[in-house]
Amino acid sequence: EVQLVESGGGLVQPGGSLRLSCAASGFTFNNYELNWVRQAPGKGLEWVSYISGSGSTIFYSDSVKGRFTISRDNAKNSVYLQMNSLRAEDTAVYYCARDTIVAFEDYFDYWGQGTLVTVSS
Amino acid sequence: QLVLTQSPSASASLGASVKLTCTLSSGHSVYAIAWHQQRPEKGPRFLMKLNSDGSHNKGDGIPDRFSGSSSGAERYLTISSLQSEDEADYYCQTWGTGIRVFGGGTKLTVL
Repeated sequence: EVQLVESGGGLVQPGGSLRLSCAASGFTFNNYELNWVRQAPGKGLEWVSYISGSGSTIFYSDSVKGRFTISRDNAKNSVYLQMNSLRAEDTAVYYCARDTIVAFEDYFDYWGQGTLVTVSS
Repeated sequence: QLVLTQSPSASASLGASVKLTCTLSSGHSVYAIAWHQQRPEKGPRFLMKLNSDGSHNKGDGIPDRFSGSSSGAERYLTISSLQSEDEADYYCQTWGTGIRVFGGGTKLTVL
């Protein structure tokens, strides 16, 4: 059974930092591309970042570019999101989402349950 | 610019059918999309990938009541024999080079 379990969320002050983790199981981790997607309270889904299976290709949304860093450790079956210079508008539930293995297609076929990040003084 | 447009809300009666629409922006009418369901206070769940020709591949365990179709730049999700558990937010999602895009979501109310 495919499982994605996020952790690391919490309350942080504006300008602070937080590191999210996503632990994966039930599939061959290094074969899959992974993403972070967030959802502000009462709002829709917003894609945040992508990392390829090897970690060699990375993309970010414009809203987090330069502040967030995605990485992965294939030996630990985990993907991470380092969030720096946090702003109130980064307050959201952050989801880990797996890309389909189908080449040249980038839709999410499995999701985690999310971890809440609150940026507030 | 790659944009997906969804109506904010829809409603239908228990046991009836409903058709939700996702519209691709101009110049992107051949793009495939994915449909995701998000029940209240839950993480999203992948429903299906839907191609421009209407062919679709459903996720694990998705009931036959869920189907997809396409016409031009419109992508549809039809849910038949509506059940109370279908009350949820439904998002379409697509992708381009270096980006993934979501529609704004449709909140489905089952009456």
